[in-house]
Amino acid sequence: ETGVTQSPTHLIKTRGQQVTLRCSSQSGHNTVSWYQQALGQGPQFIFQYYREEENGRGNFPPRFSGLQFPNYSSELNVNALELDDSALYLCASSLAAAGAYGYTFGSGTRLTVV
Amino acid sequence: AQRVTQPEKLLSVFKGAPVELKCNYSYSGSPELFWYVQYSRQRLQLLLRHISRESIKGFTADLNKGETSFHLKKPFAQEEDSAMYYCALSGGGGSNYKLTFGKGTLLTVNP
Repeated sequence: ETGVTQSPTHLIKTRGQQVTLRCSSQSGHNTVSWYQQALGQGPQFIFQYYREEENGRGNFPPRFSGLQFPNYSSELNVNALELDDSALYLCASSLAAAGAYGYTFGSGTRLTVV
Repeated sequence: AQRVTQPEKLLSVFKGAPVELKCNYSYSGSPELFWYVQYSRQRLQLLLRHISRESIKGFTADLNKGETSFHLKKPFAQEEDSAMYYCALSGGGGSNYKLTFGKGTLLTVNP
């Protein structure tokens, strides 16, 4: 399947819980980035993974963590959920060689924390 | 630090009118600038990038380093242009090419 797919599409969690969001990268893409988009805001960079290692991180606390697997799929994990974590979480895959020009975004997972 | 400012949250024009979506940036080096668009119920997608100096769907954007701006323009707006538009910047350095987005401008083109 081409394109970036994210699951689930919607999720409701309770404050204090943990959540795992998943992303399947576009075929051939070796880099994945995660963004948080709060209501009325532009996407905000969380972190980026290349060859299964984190190679860049935005201004997010350590309770936001990630994994990239050998097949280039990825997970975003958030521990100790807070109400302000409610947002749309976007995954974007790319080829490292393409730099910032090659992003392909998924449709996102909308997380609601109550 | 890198920052992108889109001063207009909402912009409404009539079909056939010119449209300009403003974007200003703050970055100490040589940035790479992009415009992304999100149509209703669709995913975020790249519209154009400054380095290509291309016109996509009639839209153009010129990087003005003196004014640190990258405004998006189209001479004759169409109803199908109605969407959310985000200006984004990448520092372009090293292997981390994160995008810094503005808050977006919602463009409505009225018939």
